[in-house]
Amino acid sequence: NAGVMQNPRHLVRRRGQEARLRCSPMKGHSHVYWYRQLPEEGLKFMVYLQKENIIDESGMPKERFSAEFPKEGPSILRIQQVVRGDSAAYFCASSPRGVSYEQYFGPGTRLTVT
Amino acid sequence: GNSVTQMEGPVTLSEEAFLTINCTYTATGYPSLFWYVQYPGEGLQLLLKATKADDKGSNKGFEATYRKETTSFHLEKGSVQVSDSAVYFCALVSGGGADGLTFGKGTHLIIQP
Repeated sequence: NAGVMQNPRHLVRRRGQEARLRCSPMKGHSHVYWYRQLPEEGLKFMVYLQKENIIDESGMPKERFSAEFPKEGPSILRIQQVVRGDSAAYFCASSPRGVSYEQYFGPGTRLTVT
Repeated sequence: GNSVTQMEGPVTLSEEAFLTINCTYTATGYPSLFWYVQYPGEGLQLLLKATKADDKGSNKGFEATYRKETTSFHLEKGSVQVSDSAVYFCALVSGGGADGLTFGKGTHLIIQP
């Protein structure tokens, strides 16, 4: 059973470009979470999605960031007009049911904004 | 709101030493508690969990007991190995909320041969 998959593993963008991060949950998992890990800090929750629904986006920055989890295909975290402060590791996790259940993490996408 | 506080690192120990990494929390309701481990360049792996007071989670020689009276979930291992070198994160999730995991800042553990 393949684990949570994220791609790309490393992404370099210049300031002002768009970054698209993809996450394929584990088979049978319908709940996806995105977290951001800034240097020297722990992970911060960003958004929680089910298929075609955003359940909780209380951790998402108000501007430039969006997330989706379509009926078919991976979950996408999109960052528009990236700035240097967006440089971080972005982790996706999935679970078979809601937040009280175990979350399984992907290897992360390391975004570098130059 | 929810928060998790871990001891600052790095923690450096010799092989076969006893390990304790402290973790305390504040949370609404009755949270579930977790320890995750992150090896260099990798994502987080669930190490152990406890879902109610006095539960003890254990895995790979690591243990942690959910202490409601002291709001703590300290991680322990009797004899560490070089391969245990990693960053350890304490985390919680509230039972009734949809707000994802709340993590501590992580403790970098270094085991020397």
